[in-house]
Amino acid sequence: QSVLTQPASVSGAPGQRITLSCSGGADKAVTWYQHVPGKPPKLLFYYGNVPASGVSHRFSGSKSGTSASLAISGLQSEDEADYYCAIWDDSLNGWVFGGGTKLTVL
Amino acid sequence: QVRLQESGPGLVKPSETLSLTCTVSGGSISSHYWSWIRQPPGKGLEWIGNIYYRGSTIYNASLEGRVTISVDTSKSKFFLNLTSVTAVDTAIYYCARDGRKASGLDSWGQGTLVAVSS
Repeated sequence: QSVLTQPASVSGAPGQRITLSCSGGADKAVTWYQHVPGKPPKLLFYYGNVPASGVSHRFSGSKSGTSASLAISGLQSEDEADYYCAIWDDSLNGWVFGGGTKLTVL
Repeated sequence: QVRLQESGPGLVKPSETLSLTCTVSGGSISSHYWSWIRQPPGKGLEWIGNIYYRGSTIYNASLEGRVTISVDTSKSKFFLNLTSVTAVDTAIYYCARDGRKASGLDSWGQGTLVAVSS
């Protein structure tokens, strides 16, 4: 059981704005990864909202209440992927991943 | 742009040792941490452990006792050994550059599938 909880699945229509949540990560330096099956995971954000190099402006990271969030605006078919949040846990002294959210673009 | 490439056997027998190599190119292996992460079929990502270029290591407690990560800076390679494997160790294994809190797991290898089967 991860300390980070993500919804198993989210779906949205092309052009829509969707938000993915990561509960348990609000007070941590959350990183977000996009994982297209068959490709390696790609870092999207670190420190919750600092974009990695080359990340589309359609993606944004934030905190809301007790959760960290990843928002994707102008949803495109190429955004269909699994999205993971992760933290470097000082108490466990290691990386902890959330269970991942499968994003389906309808 | 740093590049990472995993290599090693794609099939390991139960109770034997899984050994993988990650070759780093396009950047220095020095002054960084380097991680191994795996993804079992149909499941999420699991961090295995990391190594600092000087050789200090941290392992996932769930694997401690079976896992060893080492580095050869002269060859720009780091290594994963996982002993006494069983079918639950079947996974895609990734190596990654590890910026820890400061910058995340910011560069990943393509991954290599390792199956544990007799």
